[in-house]
Amino acid sequence: DAGVIQSPRHEVTEMGQEVTLRCKPISGHNSLFWYRQTMMRGLELLIYFNNNVPIDDSGMPEDRFSAKMPNASFSTLKIQPSEPRDSAVYFCASSGDRIYTGELFFGEGSRLTVL
Amino acid sequence: DQQVKQNSPSLSVQEGRISILNCDYTNSMFDYFLWYKKYPAEGPTFLISISSIKDKNEDGRFTVFLNKSAKHLSLHIVPSQPGDSAVYFCAATKEDMNYGGSQGNLIFGKGTKLSVKP
Repeated sequence: DAGVIQSPRHEVTEMGQEVTLRCKPISGHNSLFWYRQTMMRGLELLIYFNNNVPIDDSGMPEDRFSAKMPNASFSTLKIQPSEPRDSAVYFCASSGDRIYTGELFFGEGSRLTVL
Repeated sequence: DQQVKQNSPSLSVQEGRISILNCDYTNSMFDYFLWYKKYPAEGPTFLISISSIKDKNEDGRFTVFLNKSAKHLSLHIVPSQPGDSAVYFCAATKEDMNYGGSQGNLIFGKGTKLSVKP
């Protein structure tokens, strides 16, 4: 079974450019999460969706960040304009059966470097 | 303000001995806790969880202990193996009372890097 698929795996861009990170959750999962990992703050929840609807975006740093989930199999996280402090690893995760452990299945991450 | 704290950034243990990783939380609303393991260049993977109605949960070599009054949990790995070398994240959330398990919006600690030496 395919896991959570993220693209690109690595992105290097210059300050001011637009960055789009993509995520395909595990088929059948109805919740999708975007996390960001930095040395200073560890793993932070940015936003999560349930059945394609954003439930909590209180972790989104500022208006430069936006996330969409147009359908159950695709989500994007966009940064416009990007800044050096946005450099981090961005993880997408999905979950399905809440009756079970509630575990999240993470993708391999997208490492973003903003110069 | 960090709601989930892992105060030890790193831990080194000899193969075959016990590894004990600690985690503290401040939010008394948290009632479901998880541990994740992360290897370099990979995403975190789920290891074990515990609900606040329990004080211990065991899965093979891994046991999680929860002390609600102290707002503290720990992960014990016995015996430790070199393949256990990874970063371990503690996470907390509210339990989904309708379905059980977690609501999924996990709050993570910063992680503890475990090195198990042969």
